[in-house]
Amino acid sequence: KAGVTQTPRYLIKTRGQQVTLSCSPISGHRSVSWYQQTPGQGLQFLFEYFSETQRNKGNFPGRFSGRQFSNSRSEMNVSTLELGDSALYLCASATGTAGTTDTQYFGPGTRLTVL
Amino acid sequence: AQKVTQAQTEISVVEKEDVTLDCVYETRDTTYYLFWYKQPPSGELVFLIRRNSFDEQNEISGRYSWNFQKSTSSFNFTITASQVVDSAVYFCALSEASGGSYIPTFGRGTSLIVHP
Repeated sequence: KAGVTQTPRYLIKTRGQQVTLSCSPISGHRSVSWYQQTPGQGLQFLFEYFSETQRNKGNFPGRFSGRQFSNSRSEMNVSTLELGDSALYLCASATGTAGTTDTQYFGPGTRLTVL
Repeated sequence: AQKVTQAQTEISVVEKEDVTLDCVYETRDTTYYLFWYKQPPSGELVFLIRRNSFDEQNEISGRYSWNFQKSTSSFNFTITASQVVDSAVYFCALSEASGGSYIPTFGRGTSLIVHP
């Protein structure tokens, strides 16, 4: 079974721009969660999607949004980028039956640098 | 609010030594799940174990073992006979299953360096 894939792997943007990251979960998994990892704040939960609906949301501003398609692939969008948005963005997939208490399988991440 | 503390920021050992990574958590819920993940330099988090709050049995998987003690709110991870390939950052995480909160919380991680 193929693992979780994330594209692109690396991205450089400037302040004020917006960015879209993509995540393809493991086949058969219906839950996709997104996390932000920074040296200062560590690993933080952004949101979780299940069956095209946002099921859980972390404490992030509205500039961070996401969506999930019928094939379970997910995208997250960050608008009006700030320097502090520079981070490794990790996507995780799970079967979806138990929310984020499920066993989650992570992708390699997208390294976003905001200049 | 839930919280996970990994007090050890960095541990350095020599190959074949045993090493224990500590994890202490706080939660008001009676139903919750605890996790350990490994993050090698490549960046991808690798799942190691998932344990629910009603199962306090210790678990062993090869050189890895986990000690879950609800009385001290700890979920410690031991690597026996460490190897260079064990060098990574290890994260402990908590996810509550009741009270409507499914927001997982991660500790700050422990960087393990195993020297040959």
